[in-house]
Amino acid sequence: DVKVTQSSRYLVKRTGEKVFLECVQDMDHENMFWYRQDPGLGLRLIYFSYDVKMKEKGDIPEGYSVSREKKERFSLILESASTNQTSMYLCASTIWGTENTEAFFGQGTRLTVV
Amino acid sequence: KQEVTQIPAALSVPEGENLVLNCSFTDSAIYNLQWFRQDPGKGLTSLLLIQSSQREQTSGRLNASLDKSSGRSTLYIAASQPGDSATYLCAVNSGYSTLTFGKGTMLLVSP
Repeated sequence: DVKVTQSSRYLVKRTGEKVFLECVQDMDHENMFWYRQDPGLGLRLIYFSYDVKMKEKGDIPEGYSVSREKKERFSLILESASTNQTSMYLCASTIWGTENTEAFFGQGTRLTVV
Repeated sequence: KQEVTQIPAALSVPEGENLVLNCSFTDSAIYNLQWFRQDPGKGLTSLLLIQSSQREQTSGRLNASLDKSSGRSTLYIAASQPGDSATYLCAVNSGYSTLTFGKGTMLLVSP
């Protein structure tokens, strides 16, 4: 089974801190994604990556950056955390393809910024 | 821009009922559609993937259909059980494997 693992289930950080959310997948998938999920807004794409050192902005990249130094690992960085970044963060991965690309998600990281 | 709508937003049924969850999307140029389950505070679990060339997929008590031309998909759950209680999300892949999600249907199955 594909496994996508996020480093933390729960995080509490202070406003202004630099925050790293880590995601690792074990199936050699080319594509990796970061989404955030908020009540009433659903899931929204922050950033994605097709390959090592490549990144593309999603729908809501402001206030975030990402890093992909190895194929299996995709990190989401909050340069200076703010209270409006309190949310559930979900990482996903897929193989490269079109019709048959099934997305697999991690267990989520609930981030609270105080 | 692709938009995905799920109806109803919430559904409560007694155990044993068959039920249908609906998903509609505005742009029919999709590669596939995926149904997920999410338990409270957890990540997403993939239930079914329907490729754009397919009409339906089945897994156990679950059956998902796709009518790409009309922009609709349904998830049919047969003989519902309390363990089916969760939020069900549909997502469409319109390219580059990025997904556009609906806001989900929260299902409660009572014993």
